[in-house]
Amino acid sequence: KQEVTQIPAALSVPEGENLVLNCSFTDSAIYNLQWFRQDPGKGLTSLLLIQSSQREQTSGRLNASLDKSSGRSTLYIAASQPGDSATYLCALERTNAGKSTFGDGTTLTVKP
Amino acid sequence: NAGVTQTPKFQVLKTGQSMTLQCAQDMNHEYMSWYRQDPGMGLRLIHYSVGAGITDQGEVPNGYNVSRSTTEDFPLRLLSAAPSQTSVYFCASSALGGGSYNEQFFGPGTRLTVL
Repeated sequence: KQEVTQIPAALSVPEGENLVLNCSFTDSAIYNLQWFRQDPGKGLTSLLLIQSSQREQTSGRLNASLDKSSGRSTLYIAASQPGDSATYLCALERTNAGKSTFGDGTTLTVKP
Repeated sequence: NAGVTQTPKFQVLKTGQSMTLQCAQDMNHEYMSWYRQDPGMGLRLIHYSVGAGITDQGEVPNGYNVSRSTTEDFPLRLLSAAPSQTSVYFCASSALGGGSYNEQFFGPGTRLTVL
């Protein structure tokens, strides 16, 4: 069974700092990996999707990488802003069937 | 496009009552799924569907039923509500094609309390 771990559970940084969020998984046979953002009391917003054959994806200040051999993905946030404060979740699909296994998330606080 | 919509946003039930959580998407996505989110447990898959008329169980299906009569709609039925079903329920959809088409889109959630 695929297990997904996100460490740390919470992170607090000053505004402007570059930071890395981690996602580890036990089964390297994945179809894709997706990073989401969740604001308190809200739904999930997709940030980046990395296909199994890809190494990284970039969108604005966000860069996500995937290393299947080590069972790791990272989400890099450059020049963090208070508006980046949220919970960040990674989710893995093992097959192309629209069902994912989620990590518990990292709650990020960016202080002005 | 409205994306993925869910109704109601909030619901309070008494133990033993039944209800249906509604989910609809207007993106013509083949895949739809239901998750529940609980503190300390993350998001867990309840049921999913790969197309109209096809559904399957996820990780925590007990106490829930689903059907998929159309591409757009994927309702989740609670047969006899229990306090353990107090949770936030999310519906998601994604397309059949590979690559970026597999991106999952989520609804805003339904917050359910069972007394």
